Amino acid sequence: ETGVTQTPRHLVMGMTNKKSLKCEQHLGHNAMYWYKQSAKKPLELMFVYNFKEQTENNSVPSRFSPECPNSSHLFLHLHTLQPEDSALYLCASSQGTASNQPQHFGDGTRLSIL
Amino acid sequence: QKEVEQNSGPLSVPEGAIASLNCTYSDRGSQSFFWYRQYSGKSPELIMFIYSNGDKEDGRFTAQLNKASQYVSLLIRDSQPSDSATYLCAGGLNTGTASKLTFGTGTRLQVTL
Repeated sequence: ETGVTQTPRHLVMGMTNKKSLKCEQHLGHNAMYWYKQSAKKPLELMFVYNFKEQTENNSVPSRFSPECPNSSHLFLHLHTLQPEDSALYLCASSQGTASNQPQHFGDGTRLSIL
Repeated sequence: QKEVEQNSGPLSVPEGAIASLNCTYSDRGSQSFFWYRQYSGKSPELIMFIYSNGDKEDGRFTAQLNKASQYVSLLIRDSQPSDSATYLCAGGLNTGTASKLTFGTGTRLQVTL
């Protein structure tokens, strides 16, 4: 069982729908991350939150909107997505933001855009 | 573009052999390096991390770092079929406000019976 839980595990949505991905970490960490993993491409960092504050937005389109109400929960709100947004979305957490802090991943949400 | 390069494989080794996975990175500012294992349909699982030049051993795994050559490797001794997975190399950089990991595309390892 992972210390980082993501829901839903699978999501199919149309381009005009609005949905949200949820992530919860039970590790007492302070930093949380959203990544996108597409086939044959490296994991792409999307957003970083440290103590609920967004510290990194890696030029992500505005149709992805993150929310971090506290250090244990992270959401990714989705609206008017494109077919190329179909991918595995991974949440991760770490104790802090020092470079030697390992990140621990959830099982991801497999997103398919129709 | 800061990159981490890995051979996509598949790397095929017989059971009981040593598997050697390699990774090069272009950003000399990278301070720590991580190896993750990812089974198909699963999330990346941390195997080891290293931030000092030299070797670091943990059980059957040894990570090696050479900052002068910008090279990181992972050795898996006594390879088992359960080691068959994709291995992701990542370089860590602290930007002052965030810890950023730059990942390679991964090397697929197949351990054959």
